[in-house]
Amino acid sequence: AIRMTQSPSSFSASTGDRVTITCRASQGISSYLAWYQQKPGKAPKLLIYAASTLQSGVPSRFSGSGSGTDFTLTISCLQSEDFATYYCQQYYSYPLITFGQGTRLEIK
Amino acid sequence: QVQLQESGPGLVKPSQTLSLTCTVSGGSISSGSYYWSWIRQPAGKGLEWIGRIYTSGSTNYNPSLKSRVTISVDTSKNQFSLKLSSVTAADTAVYYCARDHVGYSSGTVIYYFDYWGQGTLVTVSS
Repeated sequence: AIRMTQSPSSFSASTGDRVTITCRASQGISSYLAWYQQKPGKAPKLLIYAASTLQSGVPSRFSGSGSGTDFTLTISCLQSEDFATYYCQQYYSYPLITFGQGTRLEIK
Repeated sequence: QVQLQESGPGLVKPSQTLSLTCTVSGGSISSGSYYWSWIRQPAGKGLEWIGRIYTSGSTNYNPSLKSRVTISVDTSKNQFSLKLSSVTAADTAVYYCARDHVGYSSGTVIYYFDYWGQGTLVTVSS
């Protein structure tokens, strides 16, 4: 199975900061990657698919990039509602889907 | 607006079978080219895809769980269901149902889970 490794596992930042989360695949996955945001007690919410396409309704401060094995999720100007856990998900090995272990973003 | 809602027992004894149902509202489970998945999340841990079903009955399962998982669909009730047999404490988790969106855009394959249920906690304990 393709293993997805996110870094860092957790970190803290301040409102207004620009932050980047990295997701690395154990083998090349082209651009077959999605990003989700999850808040405590809630289901994940889709942010980005196909590595860089913003889901409808998601604020433009979120962006994704990368292809092959290395991907990033960037939040350009952190808002209070952005403090959450973020997951990457690959679908290159469809029908098997795998997620990264998550990156927890906390308020500094 | 499509909505999904999980239902089923919150407590299952070890070695027994976990059974959950996901009811889809706001649209027909048979409309469009969508698959319907189950995903779980142990407390404080990451997400694990369990399996999916198409309304034709075609299924895919995570190889790590395949021997214990059965997913079925009842289009007349707009529901799909999960059965996980021989459960242990390691199966304790929040279980989510979700809609798989599969397609093509700008020459590339797209795939994501666009609608999710709120999740239901299932505890395996005697």
